[in-house]
Amino acid sequence: NAGVMQNPRHLVRRRGQEARLRCSPMKGHSHVYWYRQLPEEGLKFMVYLQKENIIDESGMPKERFSAEFPKEGPSILRIQQVVRGDSAAYFCASSPGTTGNQPQHFGDGTRLSIL
Amino acid sequence: SQQGEEDPQALSIQEGENATMNCSYKTSINNLQWYRQNSGRGLVHLILIRSNEREKHSGRLRVTLDTSKKSSSLLITASRAADTASYFCATGLIQGAQKLVFGQGTRLTINP
Repeated sequence: NAGVMQNPRHLVRRRGQEARLRCSPMKGHSHVYWYRQLPEEGLKFMVYLQKENIIDESGMPKERFSAEFPKEGPSILRIQQVVRGDSAAYFCASSPGTTGNQPQHFGDGTRLSIL
Repeated sequence: SQQGEEDPQALSIQEGENATMNCSYKTSINNLQWYRQNSGRGLVHLILIRSNEREKHSGRLRVTLDTSKKSSSLLITASRAADTASYFCATGLIQGAQKLVFGQGTRLTINP
């Protein structure tokens, strides 16, 4: 049973380009979370989605960042017009249900480098 | 400022010794979770302890929670080289419990 799958594992972009990060949750999980991790720091919450709905995007920058979780296919975190400060590891997690007392299962992340 | 802060930031011990990591937080929580992260990898869930629980065990792991002091500890007994990793506490808040708030982590090194 595959865990949370993220791709690509590494992504290099030049300033001004777009970055698309993909996340397929664990089988049977309908809740997806995106986090960002800077070197030597903990993870910072960005956005929480259920199928076709954004539930909480309080941690996501208002500009250039967007996320979706369509009915079919993976969740996508999209960063437009990337800047050097976007360089980080982006992690996706999933969980099965609506209660808060459930662990989240993490993918291995996408390491985004901006040249 | 961080909701969760781990202490110490780094810990180096000999194999076979016990390792204790502490976490403090600021606001009321629904639960507190501990995760492990190996270098270059994602986070692996270790233990979830609910706000009405005081202690939980899983194998060589023991977690305590003191809501009056807003603190938690993770004890790893009989440490092994494979326990070398970063350990993070994360709080699930009462409002928006699905959103985890992470501390900056403790980097644990087990020396053979």
